[in-house]
Amino acid sequence: EAQVTQNPRYLITVTGKKLTVTCSQNMNHEYMSWYRQDPGLGLRQIYYSMNVEVTDKGDVPEGYKVSRKEKRNFPLILESPSPNQTSLYFCASSLTGIDTNEKLFFGSGTQLSVL
Amino acid sequence: QQQVKQSPQSLIVQKGGISIINCAYENTAFDYFPWYQQFPGKGPALLIAIRPDVSEKKEGRFTISFNKSAKQFSLHIMDSQPGDSATYFCAARNRGYQKVTFGTGTKLQVIP
Repeated sequence: EAQVTQNPRYLITVTGKKLTVTCSQNMNHEYMSWYRQDPGLGLRQIYYSMNVEVTDKGDVPEGYKVSRKEKRNFPLILESPSPNQTSLYFCASSLTGIDTNEKLFFGSGTQLSVL
Repeated sequence: QQQVKQSPQSLIVQKGGISIINCAYENTAFDYFPWYQQFPGKGPALLIAIRPDVSEKKEGRFTISFNKSAKQFSLHIMDSQPGDSATYFCAARNRGYQKVTFGTGTKLQVIP
């Protein structure tokens, strides 16, 4: 089944403790991206990647890191999480990007709480 | 600073009615405008999208109207059904990049 898999589904951590949220897709997609969803703010793009070793900042990259060492994986790293990073995070992928006839597949989300 | 402004925040429509959600933008570098539908506990899913060289696109009961001069676009859901109850996000892609900016979302409730 074609899918984007995020782990974990729920995560509670403390300020300053490094964490990684994993994202994997099995569709051989070149494009992958991360978003955070907050009430009243909608979805905001954190980082995106057009291909292996190619990453670019979205609208809210501060406090986050990403890497794209393999085509299928695009982990999101919070090196020193803070309470304002408490949010619902989504990973997404598509064949080549955001464009006509391109469907962006989203994962099921990771609810992160930073205490 | 919200580059894509979406309204209303919430909407209640009776079954069979028309649901209308509006979005406005300022950045003229935006060149692709998708709409996403999100059900509780799920990730968003692409619903319909439009480029600014057309004024309207229709797919089934869903229609996007686009006004390039006013920098506004809207989603119309005809014959709204309870199964359409979800949160809807408009979005805009920045030309030359794969950056996408979302609106703040509209929670639609269709009542029987």
